[in-house]
Amino acid sequence: RKEVEQDPGPFNVPEGATVAFNCTYSNSASQSFFWYRQDCRKEPKLLMSVYSSGNEDGRFTAQLNRASQYISLLIRDSKLSDSATYLCVVNEMNSGGYQKVTFGTGTKLQVIP
Amino acid sequence: EAGVAQSPRYKIIEKRQSVAFWCNPISGHATLYWYQQILGQGPKLLIQFQNNGVVDDSQLPKDRFSAERLKGVDSTLKIQPAKLEDSAVYLCASSFSSQSSYNEQFFGPGTRLTVL
Repeated sequence: RKEVEQDPGPFNVPEGATVAFNCTYSNSASQSFFWYRQDCRKEPKLLMSVYSSGNEDGRFTAQLNRASQYISLLIRDSKLSDSATYLCVVNEMNSGGYQKVTFGTGTKLQVIP
Repeated sequence: EAGVAQSPRYKIIEKRQSVAFWCNPISGHATLYWYQQILGQGPKLLIQFQNNGVVDDSQLPKDRFSAERLKGVDSTLKIQPAKLEDSAVYLCASSFSSQSSYNEQFFGPGTRLTVL
């Protein structure tokens, strides 16, 4: 089983739709979780961190389910500008006391006019 | 504030040649990462530095890849000799410290390598 798994998509949704992505992780000791956004031929950029209590930033909501070992990202009222690849990132502490970072393969979203 | 700088932006070489990439992280960031991103995949961590020490190089193909961060600031990643499967974007990222569970990474624009 891969350490971090995502459905690669693509998810093709109309403008205004709500879309949700999941990301599963294998290590129950994982400590911190993030969603990054990567536009075509650009570098990844942090979209939001994922907290245990769930967090919301405008149209975006991230949630963590430790029991089932997955995180989710919900995008409401999709805009054309939301078209991108969404990368899940999971951190765990290594034996040296540093955060080990693992990226998922990414989920591609295409918002259609 | 200046972001993460990388050079060159593009490189085309023939297999068995050598190539080197340079990265200058954000000032004050202790942690520097090198990733390989093959088309259609997520970034794969090659090596992680904390200051000038290596904290993770478990996925670095050490027979052909090497990296250094001698003064704890900028870094160089080298491939010698290159193979066709090394064609990818090489991303450098930095964060304030990887000893915190919250460590936002800032990425450079990447170097797109094509091996012919």
